[in-house]
Amino acid sequence: GAVVSQHPSRVICKSGTSVKIECRSLDFQATTMFWYRQFPKQSLMLMATSNEGSKATYEQGVEKDKFLINHASLTLSTLTVTSAHPEDSSFYICSAPRARSYNSPLHFGNGTRLTVT
Amino acid sequence: SQQGEEDPQALSIQEGENATMNCSYKTSINNLQWYRQNSGRGLVHLILIRSNEREKHSGRLRVTLDTSKKSSSLLITASRAADTASYFCATILYSGGGADGLTFGKGTHLIIQP
Repeated sequence: GAVVSQHPSRVICKSGTSVKIECRSLDFQATTMFWYRQFPKQSLMLMATSNEGSKATYEQGVEKDKFLINHASLTLSTLTVTSAHPEDSSFYICSAPRARSYNSPLHFGNGTRLTVT
Repeated sequence: SQQGEEDPQALSIQEGENATMNCSYKTSINNLQWYRQNSGRGLVHLILIRSNEREKHSGRLRVTLDTSKKSSSLLITASRAADTASYFCATILYSGGGADGLTFGKGTHLIIQP
């Protein structure tokens, strides 16, 4: 069964509104969660690393004020797309390793399809 | 920035045949991982091969790693229709300590025709 739960799976919003995406680790504590973005038939691009109890680390070119990340507990990280625009329409996926180790595979949520009209 | 590049970008084979996908990367790695993604879904981890390993098996999957050529291959034997998906290789750039986000290649879209 799924070990990382992501909600919602789909969301349609109007331009200018904000959308919150939740990512929960179900049977382990995730001190770190990763947020990816994927365009159709493209690879996953790492947006930011969410760390429990501290500020997220954003990849170059990702606007931290637009993509707000909160990792309030060891099992929950949220990504809020603020003042969404049509170009923010994409597939957003969260993931987390079971352990803080290079050799710990990532467990992925099922993704959120965001459409901004 | 992307580290891995899969080849081919698309592959269509008959059910029962073997499918081979290749991945090349650019810098030193700790390990290389392969993931599968069904359309519109998240990724599922398939297999991890460490930098000091040359070959690894898991069920119908066989992964090789050649660090001198900075390349890896994923072989799926006796393919099934359910293997239709996109396959990605992923690496973590060596940065010392802690967990780092994986860098994914562009993926190989595999279609198994019944």
